[in-house]
Amino acid sequence: AQSVTQPDIHITVSEGASLELRCNYSYGATPYLFWYVQSPGQGLQLLLKYFSGDTLVQGIKGFEAEFKRSQSSFNLRKPSVHWSDAAEYFCAVIHTTGNQFYFGTGTSLTVIP
Amino acid sequence: ETGVTQSPTHLIKTRGQQVTLRCSSQSGHNTVSWYQQALGQGPQFIFQYYREEENGRGNFPPRFSGLQFPNYSSELNVNALELDDSALYLCASSPQRGGAYEQYFGPGTRLTVT
Repeated sequence: AQSVTQPDIHITVSEGASLELRCNYSYGATPYLFWYVQSPGQGLQLLLKYFSGDTLVQGIKGFEAEFKRSQSSFNLRKPSVHWSDAAEYFCAVIHTTGNQFYFGTGTSLTVIP
Repeated sequence: ETGVTQSPTHLIKTRGQQVTLRCSSQSGHNTVSWYQQALGQGPQFIFQYYREEENGRGNFPPRFSGLQFPNYSSELNVNALELDDSALYLCASSPQRGGAYEQYFGPGTRLTVT
């Protein structure tokens, strides 16, 4: 069965510090991989996606993610966190011809000044 | 270009009642997906509509039903509401079906069942 695991329920970082959010997936084949961000009371905004090719992908707001096939991971990183990055982050996968996302349970990010 | 909109923003219903949630897809998008996001959880796929036909369904009972209209807007109907149906319901539209096409999410409808 397909599944997405985000092992960190909540992370707190200081503003300006680096950030890494973990995501592992279980899937029959390499799916398409996504990271979304959700601010309170808002819908989901796409940060970045991986389909194929270069395993390091760049997204909006200075985020990047690295796909590691051997580890079935797609971790999200940012070198310097801003207070406005505080939000809920979701990793998601979808089959290349599929119709449904499988989301992780999310990681809540708190940024302290 | 108008994004995905959903109505109403918030809704309070009583157990056993029925509810209809609405979604207007982004211009040019023919595919709409619905997700349920319980508190503290990731969104769970309910179903998808492509050109007015259901194109896949998640693990939700038949009392969750939907429609897509010729203008590609969509409705989610839930009958016989249960307390566990309390959640944020998200609609997402995409220009085509298939995983390669980005799904654009609306702000959601917060449903509370008492």
